[in-house]
Amino acid sequence: EVQLVESGGGLEQPGGSLRLSCAAAGFTFSNYGMIWVRQAPGKGLEWVSYISRSTDAIYYADSVKGRFTISRDNAKNSLYLQMNSLRAEDTAVYYCTRGSASPDYWGQGTLVTVSS
Amino acid sequence: DVVMTQSPLSLPVTLGQPASISCRSSQSLVNSDGNTYLNWFQQRPGQSPRRLIYKVSNRDSGVPDRFSGSGSDTDFTLKISRVEAEDVGVYYCMQGTHWPRTFGQGTKVEIK
Repeated sequence: EVQLVESGGGLEQPGGSLRLSCAAAGFTFSNYGMIWVRQAPGKGLEWVSYISRSTDAIYYADSVKGRFTISRDNAKNSLYLQMNSLRAEDTAVYYCTRGSASPDYWGQGTLVTVSS
Repeated sequence: DVVMTQSPLSLPVTLGQPASISCRSSQSLVNSDGNTYLNWFQQRPGQSPRRLIYKVSNRDSGVPDRFSGSGSDTDFTLKISRVEAEDVGVYYCMQGTHWPRTFGQGTKVEIK
């Protein structure tokens, strides 16, 4: 059974940093590109970032470019999102999803709150 | 960026009646590999999104056959043939052809 479990969310002040993790299980992690998607409270889904299986292709939404860094460790079956210079508008549930063009499995999400 | 426009944004439906959601893209979603990467997701209250349909019309395993997807190029539709109580939630289209990937605003389906 495919499982994606996010962690690392919490309350952080504006300008601060957080590192999200996504632990993958039930499939060969190194065979898949991975995506982060976020959802602000009461709002819709926003695509955040993508990393290919071999890390040779990485993309970001304009809203996070230069502040967020996506990475992965295929030996640890893990996906990461380093979030720096956090803003209030980064407050959201962050989901990791499997795939590139048609993400199929989603985690349960981790809540990031940016507030003073 | 490709803009995905859904309509309606709110859809009250009577149980057992059909429902239809439109999704239009600002650019063609036909990829250079010949595929059209238009997906539909369902998000029930308090849950993570779940993929229903991929590449326009392919239903995911376990998705009831009352859900169907159709369309081409820039114009796509999700249809529910007979709405059931468990279909309540928000439905999103998402394009996977262009970078960055983009979602529609979401359509909230509720029971009248």
